[in-house]
Amino acid sequence: EPEVTQTPSHQVTQMGQEVILRCVPISNHLYFYWYRQILGQKVEFLVSFYNNEISEKSEIFDDQFSVERPDGSNFTLKIRSTKLEDSAMYFCASSERRADSPLHFGNGTRLTVT
Amino acid sequence: GEDVEQSLFLSVREGDSSVINCTYTDSSSTYLYWYKQEPGAGLQLLTYIFSNMDMKQDQRLTVLLNKKDKHLSLRIADTQTGDSAIYFCVPVYNFNKFYFGSGTKLNVKP
Repeated sequence: EPEVTQTPSHQVTQMGQEVILRCVPISNHLYFYWYRQILGQKVEFLVSFYNNEISEKSEIFDDQFSVERPDGSNFTLKIRSTKLEDSAMYFCASSERRADSPLHFGNGTRLTVT
Repeated sequence: GEDVEQSLFLSVREGDSSVINCTYTDSSSTYLYWYKQEPGAGLQLLTYIFSNMDMKQDQRLTVLLNKKDKHLSLRIADTQTGDSAIYFCVPVYNFNKFYFGSGTKLNVKP
C-alpha cells in the first residue's frame, strides 16, 4: 500500500538554526498538510497546501515557517530560526481530494531544538 | 475552536472488549475518524463514520455516533496486545478541517 514517507526520523538542531523537514506524499494525492505534536499535547494543524500554494494555515504557522513543493514529489517544511518551543513531532499528511478523503500520515520527524 | 475530549487512559485484559469514548462540541462535523498511533510510529487511519450514520462495523471495530449528545465511541472486540496504542478521535469540519482529541492510551494486559 502506498504511504507517506518522512525524513529524517529525528533531527537535532541548535536554537536559531534553520531546519528543513522533508516529506514524500502519496503520488496521486493532491492535498498536503503539516501537523505537529508537542510531547504530551494534542496533534495540531499547521498548514495545508494545494496547487502549489498554501490553502490554509493556523496561527502557529507564523513567518518563521514556510512550505514548498520543490519538485513533483517532495513537500518540505522549513523553520527559519528554530526556538526551543519548536521541539515536537512533525507529521506530514496527504489526501486524495479536499472533501470526503482521509488524511494519510507519515511516521513523523522528531525535532529536538537544544 | 472545536474542543474534543477523550479519557487519557484505558486498561483492559486480552480478549475483552475495549470502548474508547470521545465527546466534541461542534455538531457540524461531516466525518468523524479514528486514528491509531503505535509507539514511535505515525498516525494510522483505523476507521471513520459519516455524520449521518449512527453505527459502522468494520471487522472487530464498531463505531457508534450519537449526534444529539455529540458523543463518539470506538469498540474493539476481542482486544489483543497488538491493539495497545494511542487512539485519537478526529472530527472533520468543512470536509477538510481535522481536529484531534488528546488521545486515549489503550493498554492491553495479557
